[in-house]
Amino acid sequence: DAGVIQSPRHEVTEMGQEVTLRCKPISGHNSLFWYRQTMMRGLELLIYFNNNVPIDDSGMPEDRFSAKMPNASFSTLKIQPSEPRDSAVYFCASSLNRGRYEQYFGPGTRLTVT
Amino acid sequence: QQQVKQSPQSLIVQKGGISIINCAYENTAFDYFPWYQQFPGKGPALLIAIRPDVSEKKEGRFTISFNKSAKQFSLHIMDSQPGDSATYFCAASRGDMRFGAGTRLTVKP
Repeated sequence: DAGVIQSPRHEVTEMGQEVTLRCKPISGHNSLFWYRQTMMRGLELLIYFNNNVPIDDSGMPEDRFSAKMPNASFSTLKIQPSEPRDSAVYFCASSLNRGRYEQYFGPGTRLTVT
Repeated sequence: QQQVKQSPQSLIVQKGGISIINCAYENTAFDYFPWYQQFPGKGPALLIAIRPDVSEKKEGRFTISFNKSAKQFSLHIMDSQPGDSATYFCAASRGDMRFGAGTRLTVKP
């Protein structure tokens, strides 16, 4: 089992540019979560999907952030336009059933916006 | 609002000692309480978890103690080793996961 796969692992971009982060959950898992981790705010849940449907996006900070899950094996988190305060590590996690079971985290994408 | 409060923020323990990290929650609807371990540059990984119908769970050197009436739970690491040096997060779930702020543990040789 390859685990949760995220790409890219590192992203450096200039303010105002569009950024797309990608996630492939563990095969068979039906829930997918996007988190943001910073020193100041810790681990924040941004959005989660169950069976490809967004269930709760109340953690998405602004309209500049959007997430999609077109199928059970792929999700994207897009930031447009990006700002320096978006710099953080973004994690994707998957689980069998809406977090009531173990969540498996990917290695994260470290985003730096200059 | 912070739904799960974790302390201490950092902890230094000698090799062989006991590491204790505490968490408190507010929402009684939470029904799953995991602890995650995170090494630098890696994603969090589940260490041990407990449900509120038991007061203690032990896996190797790691033990969760759970006090439902006080809405508190703690992680005990017995015989702490330098390899345990990492950041530990408690969490609480009722369908989605709310994490504590994390504790950076350093085990000195």
